[in-house]
Amino acid sequence: GENVEQHPSTLSVQEGDSAVIKCTYSDSASNYFPWYKQELGKGPQLIIDIRSNVGEKKDQRIAVTLNKTAKHFSLHITETQPEDSAVYFCAASIYTDMRFGAGTRLTVKP
Amino acid sequence: DTEVTQTPKHLVMGMTNKKSLKCEQHMGHRAMYWYKQKAKKPPELMFVYSYEKLSINESVPSRFSPECPNSSLLNLHLHALQPEDSALYLCASSQAGFTGELFFGEGSRLTVL
Repeated sequence: GENVEQHPSTLSVQEGDSAVIKCTYSDSASNYFPWYKQELGKGPQLIIDIRSNVGEKKDQRIAVTLNKTAKHFSLHITETQPEDSAVYFCAASIYTDMRFGAGTRLTVKP
Repeated sequence: DTEVTQTPKHLVMGMTNKKSLKCEQHMGHRAMYWYKQKAKKPPELMFVYSYEKLSINESVPSRFSPECPNSSLLNLHLHALQPEDSALYLCASSQAGFTGELFFGEGSRLTVL
């Protein structure tokens, strides 16, 4: 089955700096790569996603890149704000089979 | 309506009890999921229903029994659980036959004494 690895496990940045989280996946059949943000006591919420036929996608301060050949994808958050502090999960999916990375706890210091 | 509603939010049960977790969505999604999440860990896939039929069962112990009575409802029946089953149980839904966003509920936090 699919195996998703995520790094780093914790990330601390100053407000206004950029944050980068990286993931790798094992199954070349995976074709959908979402990123979820989970705040304390809440369920995960989608913040951005990318499909296997696209190399890069941007939504305001958030961008995701995908390298299918290397089976890598990354989340980039620019101009970080304290409200970006949360746990971020990458995932890889084939149809309804979605598997998550271990998560990154992002702390943005004001 | 883009909500997935889970009840109860908190549940405490003994190892001999029988209880159920419930999940409801009205987005017309035909795929529904149960994930288990332990503290500081990612969600782990337990079951997937597509068009009300069980399509993925991740070798979950039989003390967890899923049920999908209709396209809007998903239940997880619990019986003879162990303390290590204490976790946050997340329900999610998505379009079926299509790879896309999972919409998660807030979860049911289960404590087994």
